[in-house]
Amino acid sequence: AQRVTQPEKLLSVFKGAPVELKCNYSYSGSPELFWYVQYSRQRLQLLLRHISRESIKGFTADLNKGETSFHLKKPFAQEEDSAMYYCALYNAGNMLTFGGGTRLMVKP
Amino acid sequence: DAGITQSPRHKVTETGTPVTLRCHQTENHRYMYWYRQDPGHGLRLIHYSYGVKDTDKGEVSDGYSVSRSKTEDFLLTLESATSSQTSVYFCATTGTGGYEQYFGPGTRLTVT
Repeated sequence: AQRVTQPEKLLSVFKGAPVELKCNYSYSGSPELFWYVQYSRQRLQLLLRHISRESIKGFTADLNKGETSFHLKKPFAQEEDSAMYYCALYNAGNMLTFGGGTRLMVKP
Repeated sequence: DAGITQSPRHKVTETGTPVTLRCHQTENHRYMYWYRQDPGHGLRLIHYSYGVKDTDKGEVSDGYSVSRSKTEDFLLTLESATSSQTSVYFCATTGTGGYEQYFGPGTRLTVT
């Protein structure tokens, strides 16, 4: 069965420090993975998907099939990055399986 | 925002009462979903719909039912609310062939 694990519920860093939000998955097929973000008082929105290989707001994520990971990284955190981040795995039938989420707090 | 609205945005209800939450979309998206968001559990799928009158259960469907009589509306009903159903409920949609899900603003439900 598909599963997404985000081991950290809370990640606190200082402004300007590097950030890595961890995501591990289990899936028998070829995975499609996403990161969604929820800023305070805003709705959940797509941050990036692995097949686009984009950098959005300075964030990147690389799919590592050997380690079954899709960690989200940013070299220099900003206060406006403070939010809830969810890793998600696409399933057949247009469905997503979400991880438990990681709250990122960037301190000034 | 893909034109997704949810109503009500906040509701407090008593144990044992029925509750209906509404999701409305203006994008003519085929697929619609109901999730609940709880600390430590992330978002869990309750029910989803792949067309008018076509619905199926998700991961945590017990105690919930859904209906979709029109493309634009997807209703979630708690048949007899319990305190364990206190949560934030999100509706989402996606179009045919699309991967991205678009989310509504959420409904905060408290069952006392």
